[in-house]
Amino acid sequence: GQNIDQPTEMTATEGAIVQINCTYQTSGFNGLFWYQQHAGEAPTFLSYNVLDGLEEKGRFSSFLSRSKGYSYLLLKELQMKDSASYLCAVRDPGGATNKLIFGTGTLLAVQP
Amino acid sequence: DTAVSQTPKYLVTQMGNDKSIKCEQNLGHDTMYWYKQDSKKFLKIMFSYNNKELIINETVPNRFSPKSPDKAHLNLHINSLELGDSAVYFCASSRREAATNEKLFFGSGTQLSVL
Repeated sequence: GQNIDQPTEMTATEGAIVQINCTYQTSGFNGLFWYQQHAGEAPTFLSYNVLDGLEEKGRFSSFLSRSKGYSYLLLKELQMKDSASYLCAVRDPGGATNKLIFGTGTLLAVQP
Repeated sequence: DTAVSQTPKYLVTQMGNDKSIKCEQNLGHDTMYWYKQDSKKFLKIMFSYNNKELIINETVPNRFSPKSPDKAHLNLHINSLELGDSAVYFCASSRREAATNEKLFFGSGTQLSVL
């Protein structure tokens, strides 16, 4: 089966940097996504990694190591509005469908 | 204009009732999905349709029946509602079914409470 692990909760300070880790155990690999979900709202796409390395997009960066089954989302210059759940998801390697398998998410609280 | 819209936003009903949730996307996408998010915020796929054809059907009780009248709509009908069906149901869409980097666009969710 497929398994994705993330810390349940994290706390960080406004203006700081935070790294949210995600490890996955899957029978293959076909891409990894990060989504942001504010309380009571829809998840929204943040990043996609399929090759090893760092993808930078403004204040957010996402890293992937396929050999280690590991990814992280790096948030810089934290703002209060970054308080949200961050969902790691891998694309199901078992078929040709766009089926995403989500982790349980990391609830990030940004404090003043 | 909302890209993926689903109605209703809140649904409170009694056990044993039948209810429907509607979803529409105006993005011109080929593929639509239903996801269920439980109280622990775990998001799990239920169904996907590509151009009105059922592609993914996870081990969902057959009380749940999706219907796609056209590729812009995917509705979810639930018969004989049970307490365990209480969750937030998200509709989503993507451009193509099998492309590896296709991101999902989610609707705002329907919070279903079964009493």
